[in-house]
Amino acid sequence: GESVGLHLPTLSVQEGDNSIINCAYSNSASDYFIWYKQESGKGPQFIIDIRSNMDKRQGQRVTVLLNKTVKHLSLQIAATQPGDSAVYFCAENPPSGGSNYKLTFGKGTLLTVNP
Amino acid sequence: SAVISQKPSRDICQRGTSLTIQCQVDSQVTMMFWYRQQPGQSLTLIATANQGSEATYESGFVIDKFPISRPNLTFSTLTVSNMSPEDSSIYLCSVEDSGNTIYFGEGSWLTVV
Repeated sequence: GESVGLHLPTLSVQEGDNSIINCAYSNSASDYFIWYKQESGKGPQFIIDIRSNMDKRQGQRVTVLLNKTVKHLSLQIAATQPGDSAVYFCAENPPSGGSNYKLTFGKGTLLTVNP
Repeated sequence: SAVISQKPSRDICQRGTSLTIQCQVDSQVTMMFWYRQQPGQSLTLIATANQGSEATYESGFVIDKFPISRPNLTFSTLTVSNMSPEDSSIYLCSVEDSGNTIYFGEGSWLTVV
């Protein structure tokens, strides 16, 4: 039978390097995007969000880039630290009359930071 | 950001039984949601918990299997009914805060044996 969901895309980086995690979203009408970090045994933690009227947004050590032409989202983490090791999920929200609730999540990327 | 507490954090359940998960938020929120995360997979929205009315379920999820309560603006429960091993998952409560950002609780990790 098919093995479902046991093989996440992975990214392995050295401590101090910059990391780039990519996400292809599905709905060209989506107007809001979020990146979450999920550490082992924990719930998803909000990192940064961006709306469709922007193409770049910066936070503390993180930058999100949005390319609506190719429906691509990326998360850049500067000076990656061992504590950044986690699964990272992108989520999109199609227009839904004002509420941002109906998130569709990507499959996730496992980031491993080597000391 | 909203602080979300879920109980139980973990449980091992016998097949055929039901379990109710509680979600408490530290502030009043309009929107509360329940997600499921099966082992090694991404998150899937189960339903929106509406205060004072019946929950709104997503395709593939039904009230008989996942009854939801929302008695006030800070609390909700999700029941997983007649459990089977396929229901072994993380069940996550989430809320939309006043800034329209979605936050998640730490999840309730259920194993059905």
